[in-house]
Amino acid sequence: AQKITQTQPGMFVQEKEAVTLDCTYDTSDQSYGLFWYKQPSSGEMIFLIYQGSYDEQNATEGRYSLNFQKARKSANLVISASQLGDSAMYFCAMSEGFDSGGSNYKLTFGKGTLLTVNP
Amino acid sequence: GAVVSQHPSRVICKSGTSVKIECRSLDFQATTMFWYRQFPKQSLMLMATSNEGSKATYEQGVEKDKFLINHASLTLSTLTVTSAHPEDSSFYICSARDRGGLFDTEAFFGQGTRLTVV
Repeated sequence: AQKITQTQPGMFVQEKEAVTLDCTYDTSDQSYGLFWYKQPSSGEMIFLIYQGSYDEQNATEGRYSLNFQKARKSANLVISASQLGDSAMYFCAMSEGFDSGGSNYKLTFGKGTLLTVNP
Repeated sequence: GAVVSQHPSRVICKSGTSVKIECRSLDFQATTMFWYRQFPKQSLMLMATSNEGSKATYEQGVEKDKFLINHASLTLSTLTVTSAHPEDSSFYICSARDRGGLFDTEAFFGQGTRLTVV
């Protein structure tokens, strides 16, 4: 079974509007971390936001917020006030065994969502 | 934030030759680094976990004799693609965690290396 599922291969949004990118995950661990990365056409992976499984509040970083619904095992990324420069691939990822030392933070990635911001 | 530098960013090599890719943590010590491969329009797939001073741990299906990993210091890991073939053409990217730093919950990535084998 997929550990990270991103059901939206592509999304379109108008500039200045908000957009939600979906991510669901599957794990039996109690401790895990959820990440979102942006990958522009240049290929670099840009860290956006992190949510720990024990964090009670949703993570926020500037225009990015993570809608964490633990019972549903979802970790959707919300981008507010979209900008043309937000057009890129977006990957959701998970590390399991957070702080256990076992997995050493290796990440499992979803298939990604290609976001296009229209002027 | 912490910086991970990967070199080269692009390389074209002839089939049968070997290519070395370097991954350096510039302002922190990385006891563990990770090597991923990404085929066009696909996700990142973990190839191996590189541990400083010990053997790398390879994911299932990854040939350890073909993808040699050396993590000789706390700031440098190298991936050598030996006897490269066209099917090895891909985007290779490394990442590292700053376990003791301010950004402990973040995995930093290098810029990636686009390998083309002709």
